[in-house]
Amino acid sequence: NAGVTQTPKFQVLKTGQSMTLQCAQDMNHNSMYWYRQDPGMGLRLIYYSASEGTTDKGEVPNGYNVSRLNKREFSLRLESAAPSQTSVYFCASSELGEAETQYFGPGTRLLVL
Amino acid sequence: GDSVTQMEGPVTLSEEAFLTINCTYTATGYPSLFWYVQYPGEGLQLLLKATKADDKGSNKGFEATYRKETTSFHLEKGSVQVSDSAVYFCALSSGGYQKVTFGTGTKLQVIP
Repeated sequence: NAGVTQTPKFQVLKTGQSMTLQCAQDMNHNSMYWYRQDPGMGLRLIYYSASEGTTDKGEVPNGYNVSRLNKREFSLRLESAAPSQTSVYFCASSELGEAETQYFGPGTRLLVL
Repeated sequence: GDSVTQMEGPVTLSEEAFLTINCTYTATGYPSLFWYVQYPGEGLQLLLKATKADDKGSNKGFEATYRKETTSFHLEKGSVQVSDSAVYFCALSSGGYQKVTFGTGTKLQVIP
């Protein structure tokens, strides 16, 4: 039982490049989330998916797209990376209606040059 | 909108010292309150929670009491250990929206 897994662990991009961050959970959770963590800012919600087939914007969605591929997987795409997107990205999952009890992955550290 | 304010860190304590990390919140309605912990190199884990006024959440020797009158949810531990070194996040959840609002985090370093 791996919980929430994220790939890659670390990535360096050049401005304008694109990439997809992958997230998968094996807890049969309905809801999944993408956050970014920046110094002095705490965690900010980028997008979330309350259940398979639905996605909604969070607090800071600009510059990102998401895909809920199936119940297990929720990917985050940067179409044209910018230095302002340098951050640590966390994926999380929870039971439907239990957003307060989220299970987090280990994070992806992204550096955009 | 909802917001959470935590004391700035880092907080450095000697082993067995008493810990308090302050947290206050602003929210509409009656939020649920949480403390999450992030150990080095890992994602966040739920440490404890309280869902209504005067409730006390506790786990692993940590405690926090939901104080509606002061809109606070301070984290305490009587005797910290080196293994408690981590970043602690206060958070709240209110309404039917699938959203948790996190504070900025407080880094705790415990030295032997």
